[in-house]
Amino acid sequence: EVQLVDSGGGLVQPGGSLRLSCAASGFNFFTYSMNWVRQAPGKGLEWVSYISSSSDTIFYADSVKGRFTISRDNAKNSLYLQLNSLRAEDTAVYYCARDAAYAFEVWGQGTMVTVSS
Amino acid sequence: QSALTQPASVSGSPGQSITISCTGTISDVGDYNLVSWYQQHPGKVPRLMIYEDYKRPSGVSNRFSGSKSGNTASLTISGLQAEDEGDYYCCSYAGSITAWVFGGGTKLTVV
Repeated sequence: EVQLVDSGGGLVQPGGSLRLSCAASGFNFFTYSMNWVRQAPGKGLEWVSYISSSSDTIFYADSVKGRFTISRDNAKNSLYLQLNSLRAEDTAVYYCARDAAYAFEVWGQGTMVTVSS
Repeated sequence: QSALTQPASVSGSPGQSITISCTGTISDVGDYNLVSWYQQHPGKVPRLMIYEDYKRPSGVSNRFSGSKSGNTASLTISGLQAEDEGDYYCCSYAGSITAWVFGGGTKLTVV
């Protein structure tokens, strides 16, 4: 079964850091590009970041550029998102999503990040 | 403000058809055949319903169809069922600078 499991969310103070993880199983992780997409409480979806299968191409949304870092470890079938300099507006459920034909084909269950003092 | 414009809500009766529009620009919807649509039920994970403007992933009912004209994409759901109720989001690839942009979402109510 194709599966993505998100983890690492929690409560963090403004200016703090957090590292999110996404564990992949049931498919050849190393052949797929991956993304992070977030959803603030009661709000819509927002694309956050993209990484190609070999990590040679990386994109970020303007809202997180310079603060978030996407990475992957194909040997561990894992995707990561390092969140630094967190702000209240970063509060959201963060989903990892497998890329296929420039669409988000498979989604993790999401992990909640709350930025608050 | 979202990059793509969707109506906030639409409604229909069981058995009817509805269409949700998604308006972008020549730099996203109008430039790439890469519009996708997602269904999200309350408290659930989004589900891919349409990709590359009109293609359906395996397992998605053929009651769901996608189309595009110029800078506007559309999702049509025919033979509405109660289980179709939820939020629908369009998304378009917009090139290597902006990458992906979502619409603000449309709440579908089956009355």
